[in-house]
Amino acid sequence: AQSVTQLGSHVSVSEGALVLLRCNYSSSVPPYLFWYVQYPNQGLQLLLKYTSAATLVKGINGFEAEFKKSETSFHLTKPSAHMSDAAEYFCAVSDYTGNQFYFGTGTSLTVIP
Amino acid sequence: NAGVTQTPKFRVLKTGQSMTLLCAQDMNHEYMYWYRQDPGMGLRLIHYSVGEGTTAKGEVPDGYNVSRLKKQNFLLGLESAAPSQTSVYFCASSYVFGTGEKNTEAFFGQGTRLTVV
Repeated sequence: AQSVTQLGSHVSVSEGALVLLRCNYSSSVPPYLFWYVQYPNQGLQLLLKYTSAATLVKGINGFEAEFKKSETSFHLTKPSAHMSDAAEYFCAVSDYTGNQFYFGTGTSLTVIP
Repeated sequence: NAGVTQTPKFRVLKTGQSMTLLCAQDMNHEYMYWYRQDPGMGLRLIHYSVGEGTTAKGEVPDGYNVSRLKKQNFLLGLESAAPSQTSVYFCASSYVFGTGEKNTEAFFGQGTRLTVV
């Protein structure tokens, strides 16, 4: 069985500060991992994905995430927060043997001016 | 390129009424999914389909039915709406798993906000 845990349902950072959103996964096989962003009243948009190539993955809007197998983690970071980064962020996992995506409960990011 | 389109975007139902949510994708995806999103609970899978004519239950299927008569469409039905079904519903689609590392993510529609009173 697969699952995703996102630590911290709400994260607040100052504009210009480091953004760190945490995601830990559980998977019995090598996983595919994803970060999605959801702006108010919109659908989910893919930020980045890990598919067993490079462990450090770069995405859109300056975000990146590092796959750490030993820690079963896929934390999302951005060096300098911008006001436009305020949104809900979801981590998700799937694998090549299944046909589903498993989502975390989400982290709401607030950026303080 | 439309991607995944959901109809309608908003709807208010009275308890006991029925309705159908339509999802259409133009990416020739095999897999399609219906999720509901509730505060603090993330996205929960209702039903999914791995191809035309096939459907399967997800995590929270009770009170919902689905049909995939055409590859590009996935319909979600509520036969007798209940206030507990007040939620935001998202449809998503993806390629067949295992077809390559480029084809791994799900593509989402803009959502349907349903209120049952």
